[in-house]
Amino acid sequence: NAGVTQTPKFQVLKTGQSMTLQCAQDMNHNSMYWYRQDPGMGLRLIYYSASEGTTDKGEVPNGYNVSRLNKREFSLRLESAAPSQTSVYFCASSVTSGPTDTQYFGPGTRLTVL
Amino acid sequence: QKEVEQNSGPLSVPEGAIASLNCTYSDRGSQSFFWYRQYSGKSPELIMFIYSNGDKEDGRFTAQLNKASQYVSLLIRDSQPSDSATYLCAVTVYNFNKFYFGSGTKLNVKP
Repeated sequence: NAGVTQTPKFQVLKTGQSMTLQCAQDMNHNSMYWYRQDPGMGLRLIYYSASEGTTDKGEVPNGYNVSRLNKREFSLRLESAAPSQTSVYFCASSVTSGPTDTQYFGPGTRLTVL
Repeated sequence: QKEVEQNSGPLSVPEGAIASLNCTYSDRGSQSFFWYRQYSGKSPELIMFIYSNGDKEDGRFTAQLNKASQYVSLLIRDSQPSDSATYLCAVTVYNFNKFYFGSGTKLNVKP
């Protein structure tokens, strides 16, 4: 039982390049989330998927797209990377999106955009 | 105004002391409140959550919620050097999927 896994762990991009961050969970959770964490800013929600087949914008969705490929997998795509997207990206999942459901986080992807 | 405010610290306490971490939130419609611990370079892990006014205890940790004053706190009793980390407060507002994190308080427990 690996929990929430993310690939890659590290990535360096040039401005304008595209890439997809992958996330998978093996806990049979319905809800999945993408956050970014910047120094002094805490975690900010980018997109979430309350259940398979649905996705919704979070607090900072601009410049990103997501795909809920199946119940296990939720990917985050940067179509044209910008230096402002340099950050640590965390994927999380929870059983449902109920008010007391615990979110479990993956190990993170450290992205640098030059 | 940020949804969730935390003092960035660092908060330094001696080993064995009580560490008190505070968090204020702006939206009175906030429903549930979470405390996460994050070690440097690692992902956040849940310590506990609270959604009713009052205290909730779990081992050495106690969460306190006061909705009238819009603050939530975390007390760590008998602090250990292994408790040194950044503590993130998180709040859900109305729809659970709106999940706001504070910027975290860095705690240093000195041996």
